[in-house]
Order: sequence, then structure tokens, then C-alpha cells
Amino acid sequence: SQQGEEDPQALSIQEGENATMNCSYKTSINNLQWYRQNSGRGLVHLILIRSNEREKHSGRLRVTLDTSKKSSSLLITASRAADTASYFCATGGGATNKLIFGTGTLLAVQP
Amino acid sequence: SQTIHQWPATLVQPVGSPLSLECTVEGTSNPNLYWYRQAAGRGLQLLFYSVGIGQISSEVPQNLSASRPQDRQFILSSKKLLLSDSGFYLCAWSPLTNNQPQHFGDGTRLSIL
Repeated sequence: SQQGEEDPQALSIQEGENATMNCSYKTSINNLQWYRQNSGRGLVHLILIRSNEREKHSGRLRVTLDTSKKSSSLLITASRAADTASYFCATGGGATNKLIFGTGTLLAVQP
Repeated sequence: SQTIHQWPATLVQPVGSPLSLECTVEGTSNPNLYWYRQAAGRGLQLLFYSVGIGQISSEVPQNLSASRPQDRQFILSSKKLLLSDSGFYLCAWSPLTNNQPQHFGDGTRLSIL
């Protein structure tokens, strides 16, 4: 079953613009993670934010987490055509590092 | 550095035939291992995970099974494939400690005819 729901399902922007994707989830979590998937490829881990953290940065990526609203957002600043991909949030918890993935946002960055 | 290998990359099989997909991890010991299936344009569904040799947990009832004969080898199998088994299968590993990301292979595109 899906834990997270990403919003929007699809997003098209111009190079240089910022892209914001949102994720909502249902149950309590230990951490929330964001992954990128290029078409036909495996997923690549982008960033992990723990339940006691509110914001995290990695290069052009900024992730926020609001556990009271059970939501997270991923901001990609100054987007590039190479950022075109699907982006998934996933909630994790427990010793097994099991993840429950959301439905994903398809981002298209136009050159 | 750690790497994960998954093969084959694509596979076309007739209905009723058996299946064996293999995944191996290099450069780490005692990893957690996972098999996912992804339907077209959808998120990932966790099928199986393993925290050690011979330890398999199934997440959803289905026509598939998994085995872990060695520490860094994870196999997904079926005795008789169904049309509904078509999809993109992904293997992943994570370190044994808590709050760790997963690292994915490049997947197998399985088409059932």
C-alpha cells in the first residue's frame, strides 16, 4: 500500500526556475526520504530527514518536514534540464529500514 | 565502495513459465535486502525484504517467492508466471543500522506474453 501521496503528480517548468514537490503521509515515521528516478532506471537516494529535524539542505535541494501535518516538501532551486525525472518520497521506520513509497511527481524541466 | 548488480535488464517470458531474477551486492556485509515491483507510472510496492541469510519476509500475497542463499545474494522466483506479474522489478540494499537510505539496482523490465 502507498503511504505517501505526492503533489503535484506532474510538473513542467523552465530551466532556472525552482521546483517544489509536496508529500503527505499517514502514520508516524522515523525518517522521510526523497529519491529520484530517471526513466527506466533504478532510484537514486537524494536526502534523508529524520523525524526530529525540520529542514535539511543538500546542494540545490532543500527538504522540509512538518510532522504535525504529516507532510514534507522538496525544493529544487535553479533547475536544470538534467533534473528531469520522477521524484518519490518514502517514509521509513524501524530496524529493517523498510520504506513505503509515495506515488511520485514527474518533473519536466524545459531547456 | 558498495555496488549492487541486478540482472537481466529485460526479460520476456510466456505465461506459465518459471522466473529467476538475481541481485548481488558488493562491498558491504550483512545488508538488508529488498525486492520491489513498480507498475508503469506508479510508485514502488515492497514485495520482500531480508535481514539475513535465509530470513525472508513477504509483504504482499502473490505468485512470487524470494530466497537469500548467501549474505549478499537475493533471488526473486516464480514457478508459473501470470500476466499480472509484468512490471519493473527493483532490488535494493541498506546498511543494517537504523535510519539509513536504500540503494537500488537498475531494475529488470519483465514482460509476460
